[in-house]
Amino acid sequence: EIVLTQSPGTLSLSPGERATLSCRASQSVSSTYLAWYQQKPGQAPRLLIYGASSRATGIPDRFSGSGSGTDFTLTISRLEPEDFAVYYCQQYGSSPAFGGGTKVEIK
Amino acid sequence: QVQLVQSGAEVEKPGASVKVSCKASGYTFTDYYIHWVRQAPGQGLEWMGWINPNSGGTNYAQRFQGRVTMTRDTSISTAYMELSRLRSDDTAVYYCARVHYYYSGAYYALLDYWGQGTLVTVSS
Repeated sequence: EIVLTQSPGTLSLSPGERATLSCRASQSVSSTYLAWYQQKPGQAPRLLIYGASSRATGIPDRFSGSGSGTDFTLTISRLEPEDFAVYYCQQYGSSPAFGGGTKVEIK
Repeated sequence: QVQLVQSGAEVEKPGASVKVSCKASGYTFTDYYIHWVRQAPGQGLEWMGWINPNSGGTNYAQRFQGRVTMTRDTSISTAYMELSRLRSDDTAVYYCARVHYYYSGAYYALLDYWGQGTLVTVSS
């Protein structure tokens, strides 16, 4: 079973700043099967990135994903007020799993 | 438009069972696997398993084997998740979600449409 560890647990930033979120896998993950989701309080998760670097429909280009093997990154180039939320990475091959999440909060 | 509408909140006693429904609309129900994901209060997301609405085939996460049953009724485009022998740590919001169109007909848990969630509270 692949375990995904996200860091940091909380990221305190101001609007306009750059956010860099990390997701590390306990064993190699095919980048084909690595996704990122955003979740706001009281809402279901929203798909942002799939295949490690492809943006889902309607996702602004300030969101980008990168990485391969065991290390993946979600970058938000300039934080907008609506981007403050919790972000989860996920491997969606066999035995799907989510990371523990990174909360991006307003500083 | 694609919609997944789940049943309402439930309160159950320890040891009981709960069955949550997920009604799909806006697409051909049998073309896309449905996954179930839960989230305990203040915690992260936990994958529970999937059902193939076309065949009824299922695959469950190991930790839920023997306690979870996923079914579907194609006549009303509805998927169900039943969890038995409930414990207090089963208190969570339970989500159904549909596989991304890219994986139509496949099990991959890339989830682009989600239900609104159903809160299940287990308390004596």
